[in-house]
Amino acid sequence: GNSVTQMEGPVTLSEEAFLTINCTYTATGYPSLFWYVQYPGEGLQLLLKATKADDKGSNKGFEATYRKETTSFHLEKGSVQVSDSAVYFCALSDRNGNQFYFGTGTSLTVIP
Amino acid sequence: NAGVTQTPKFQVLKTGQSMTLQCAQDMNHNSMYWYRQDPGMGLRLIYYSASEGTTDKGEVPNGYNVSRLNKREFSLRLESAAPSQTSVYFCASSERWLNSGNTIYFGEGSWLTVV
Repeated sequence: GNSVTQMEGPVTLSEEAFLTINCTYTATGYPSLFWYVQYPGEGLQLLLKATKADDKGSNKGFEATYRKETTSFHLEKGSVQVSDSAVYFCALSDRNGNQFYFGTGTSLTVIP
Repeated sequence: NAGVTQTPKFQVLKTGQSMTLQCAQDMNHNSMYWYRQDPGMGLRLIYYSASEGTTDKGEVPNGYNVSRLNKREFSLRLESAAPSQTSVYFCASSERWLNSGNTIYFGEGSWLTVV
């Protein structure tokens, strides 16, 4: 079946530190991969996505590369800001786009 | 640019009461979803509707019913609320294209407390 596993949180970083949040997946076929971000009191928003192997999704300084050989889609940012404090969810959609599968979320707090 | 709109945003229910969460999307999407979010559990799919006129159970459907009223609207009903249904509920929608990396869009959430 399909599933997503992401690193446990919470993660606390100082401003301008490097961020990595690990995400691995199990899927049949060729899924699309996503990172969503949830700010306090809000719904989830798409951060970036990749639809095929070796694609790199990027947005707002965040990047993730679709690695089929390691079934991974790790989220990275070179220099985090306080405003990046949020919960980050890794997700995949199956080939037919019928269902989405989410990781449990990783809470990030960035301190000044 | 409303996107996915869900109501109410906050609700307190007594055990055994019923209520309906309403959801509407204005993006002409075929697929709609209801998720619940609990601490440490991530998002769990309750029900989804792949197209108008169809609904299917997700991971945690017990205690819930849904209605896909039309292409825009997808409601979630709790017939007899229980404290275990205290959660944040998210409605979402997506277009459904084969192999195109369709994106799912979320509403702002409904905070439900059952006492």
